[in-house]
Amino acid sequence: EVLLTQSPATLSLSPGERATLSCRASQSVSSNLAWYQQKPGQAPRLLIYDASNRAVGIPARFSGSGSGTDFTLTVSSLEPEDFAVYYCQQLSNWPLTFGGGTNLEIK
Amino acid sequence: QVQLVDSGGGVVQPGGSLRLSCAASGFIFSTFGMYWVRQAPGKGLEWVAYIAYDGSRTFYSDSVKGRFTISRDNTKNTLYLHMNGLKGDDTAMYYCAKPRGGMAPQPFDNWGQGTLVSVSS
Repeated sequence: EVLLTQSPATLSLSPGERATLSCRASQSVSSNLAWYQQKPGQAPRLLIYDASNRAVGIPARFSGSGSGTDFTLTVSSLEPEDFAVYYCQQLSNWPLTFGGGTNLEIK
Repeated sequence: QVQLVDSGGGVVQPGGSLRLSCAASGFIFSTFGMYWVRQAPGKGLEWVAYIAYDGSRTFYSDSVKGRFTISRDNTKNTLYLHMNGLKGDDTAMYYCAKPRGGMAPQPFDNWGQGTLVSVSS
């Protein structure tokens, strides 16, 4: 099973700041990695697929990078609606696995 | 547009059974593999099960293998999760999810609203 480790667990930032979230895989997943955003009481929303491609309707301030075992989700300038929990997911191997999440909170 | 409506959750005793449903619309259901994902209260996401577009292949997480069965009825555009031998650890919000497409596992671009399963005596 591919383990995904997200860091930091909690990130405290202010609107307008840049956010950098990390996801590290226990073995190579190539570019088969996705990022999701989840707000309280809501289902997750797909942000990034194939490590660096924005899903439909996702603002350009969200970007993804990386391949192999190290991946990054960057939010260039935080908007108030961006404060949420973010999960990475690998789709390279069964079982599909998610990271433990990063809680992006308002400072 | 794509809509996934989850239902069937509730309170069940340990060892009990439950059947979840996911009614799909807005896309050609019979051409997509489908997934169930769960989230325990205050915890992260866990993939549970997958079924191929025609039902010919299924995969399960180790935590539910042998107890849960995923199935589908393409004539009714509905996905199911049959849950037997329920344990306290199965308490969670259960979401059905549709992938972007393709034969290989694809990220989930549409999710149901979730249905809550609570296992308690």
